[in-house]
Amino acid sequence: KAGVTQTPRYLIKTRGQQVTLSCSPISGHRSVSWYQQTPGQGLQFLFEYFSETQRNKGNFPGRFSGRQFSNSRSEMNVSTLELGDSALYLCASSPGGVRADAFFGQGTRLTVV
Amino acid sequence: GENVEQHPSTLSVQEGDSAVIKCTYSDSASNYFPWYKQELGKGPQLIIDIRSNVGEKKDQRIAVTLNKTAKHFSLHITETQPEDSAVYFCAARLPLFYNQGGKLIFGQGTELSVKP
Repeated sequence: KAGVTQTPRYLIKTRGQQVTLSCSPISGHRSVSWYQQTPGQGLQFLFEYFSETQRNKGNFPGRFSGRQFSNSRSEMNVSTLELGDSALYLCASSPGGVRADAFFGQGTRLTVV
Repeated sequence: GENVEQHPSTLSVQEGDSAVIKCTYSDSASNYFPWYKQELGKGPQLIIDIRSNVGEKKDQRIAVTLNKTAKHFSLHITETQPEDSAVYFCAARLPLFYNQGGKLIFGQGTELSVKP
C-alpha cells in the first residue's frame, strides 16, 4: 500500500511570491490534514479537509489556504510569502470518521528568501 | 483549547537501557493519544497510539500508558537500540464533535539519543 506522497520535496521561493504544495493521501483515506513544523513552534495544525470540505482550521492567517479534490488529493497554497513561512509542511492522511490514526508524508521543505 | 506539554526535551541513554518520555494534556475530553517518531529528513511515523478507554498498550519493545485522572500519558521504550535515536512527539486529539476537535495537538518533542 503506497504511503502519503507530498510534492515537491524542496522549494525555494522569494518573499511576496505564492506557492502551492500537493499531497496525495493513502488510497481509501478521505481526510487530509496539513501541519507546519518549525524549530521554534514545533508542529502546528493548519487545516483539515474531509470529503472536499474544510472540517477544521488552525490559527494561521488567511494567506494560508487549501482545498481537497474528489479523489482526496489536497493542495495548500500560501500567498504573499514571508520569511517566517520557511518551514517543513507536512500532510497527514487519515481514514476519517471514527478512525483517528494519521499517517504523515515526508513533507515539503519550503525556504523563503 | 487543548495544550500538550512534553518532557524531557532531550534524553540520552545507553544501548539496552529503558527510555521514558512523559506528556500531560489540559483538556480531559481528549480521547486519542498517538506517539510519533521522526528521523532526520523524514516525516513523523506513527509508532503507537492509545484511546482514552484503555490504560496501557504494548507493541514489542514499545508501550504507552495513560492516566486519565492525572491527564498524562507516557511512552516506554525497553532494550533501546541505536536505531531508536530520533525525535519523539506525543499528541492529543479531542473528539470530532468538539470545537476544534479532530486535529492533533503536539508536544514539543523529545530528542532521544541511544549510545552504543
